[in-house]
Amino acid sequence: DTGVSQDPRHKITKRGQNVTFRCDPISEHNRLYWYRQTLGQGPEFLTYFQNEAQLEKSRLLSDRFSAERPKGSFSTLEIQRTEQGDSAMYLCASSSTSGGSLSSYEQYFGPGTRLTVT
Amino acid sequence: KNEVEQSPQNLTAQEGEFITINCSYSVGISALHWLQQHPGGGIVSLFMLSSGKKKHGRLIATINIQEKHSSLHITASHPRDSAVYICAVRFSGTYKYIFGTGTRLKVLA
Repeated sequence: DTGVSQDPRHKITKRGQNVTFRCDPISEHNRLYWYRQTLGQGPEFLTYFQNEAQLEKSRLLSDRFSAERPKGSFSTLEIQRTEQGDSAMYLCASSSTSGGSLSSYEQYFGPGTRLTVT
Repeated sequence: KNEVEQSPQNLTAQEGEFITINCSYSVGISALHWLQQHPGGGIVSLFMLSSGKKKHGRLIATINIQEKHSSLHITASHPRDSAVYICAVRFSGTYKYIFGTGTRLKVLA
């Protein structure tokens, strides 16, 4: 399967613990996005990478959140000192800059990691 | 006020009906994305638009740049079309996408 993969699919953690999620984009995609989705809402943008460079971050991404994409391939999203309000689905998406201007905007989503903070 | 507004929020239709979901946005965009999300969370891309109209099977998407409005139409709806349909826009000059809250569609047999 050559789609976007995320690991783990589900994570239950206690308040105050740190968690790390991984996203593996489609192999030739150089753009990678992280989103957060809470129940009944659309996804909210968290951050964007082009290759290894983090080009945009949302104000939602507090000091407890950090994302990396060290080699321009997979990415990790870490949440430190988790809070109950961090409970959400964390989605990763990737896209490519090749193939023409409009097709380069099309994002392919992973299945998400559902985080529950107790 | 959300920068991307969708309507209706919930929609119930009988099988075979023609369905329209609307998306309005506030400022200039470089692209608009229609997405489908099934229970369990998986998101599938349906269309990318920057102008005009696109058709894929029973799905049609249109966009009016001047009116800052897009519609997603489903012809001959079927229960398997039941899902949440989400509009996402990439505003000019930014990398990020802003998503609507989604339209929850239920098609009854």
